Amino acid sequence: DVKVTQSSRYLVKRTGEKVFLECVQDMDHENMFWYRQDPGLGLRLIYFSYDVKMKEKGDIPEGYSVSREKKERFSLILESASTNQTSMYLCASSLTGSYEAFFGQGTRLTVV
Amino acid sequence: QKEVEQDPGPLSVPEGAIVSLNCTYSNSAFQYFMWYRQYSRKGPELLMYTYSSGNKEDGRFTAQVDKSSKYISLFIRDSQPSDSATYLCAMSAQAGGTSYGKLTFGQGTILTVHP
Repeated sequence: DVKVTQSSRYLVKRTGEKVFLECVQDMDHENMFWYRQDPGLGLRLIYFSYDVKMKEKGDIPEGYSVSREKKERFSLILESASTNQTSMYLCASSLTGSYEAFFGQGTRLTVV
Repeated sequence: QKEVEQDPGPLSVPEGAIVSLNCTYSNSAFQYFMWYRQYSRKGPELLMYTYSSGNKEDGRFTAQVDKSSKYISLFIRDSQPSDSATYLCAMSAQAGGTSYGKLTFGQGTILTVHP
């Protein structure tokens, strides 16, 4: 059974903190993605990676960075958390040439 | 204007009803069209996938794509309470092979099917 695992379901952080969201997939997928999901806005792409150490900005990269040191792991970093980054964060992975993205359960981040 | 527009609802229907969910889009380069279903407190899962224009049927679900109108639909026949979820349309412009699978999503429609 395919699996994308996000390290936390719920997180509460303070404004200004550096926040790490971790994602691991066990399907040997080349591509990994970070989205945020907000009511009325749907899923918006923050960053994606198509290979180890490779990354590209998505539609809303400001305030975020990513790291992919191993194929199975993709980390999202909030350099200095702000209240407008309170959201549901979803990690996904896919095989190159496939349009099926497999999603993790999501991390609901609250920044206070 | 968003590249993909989807009525967020919420939509509430009785069990057994036919449900119609729709998305419009502005990017004529989109060629791959998907519907994802997301249950509460879960990540989205692929429900239907269609390439270019046409219809595709899978059990009670039918996906339609009209590229000339830039309009896609998902129909659910004989809806069940277990169909209650958020339905997200998603689209991609990139061809296969070197595709990175980048998807552009609609806002999602919250559907409730009540017994």
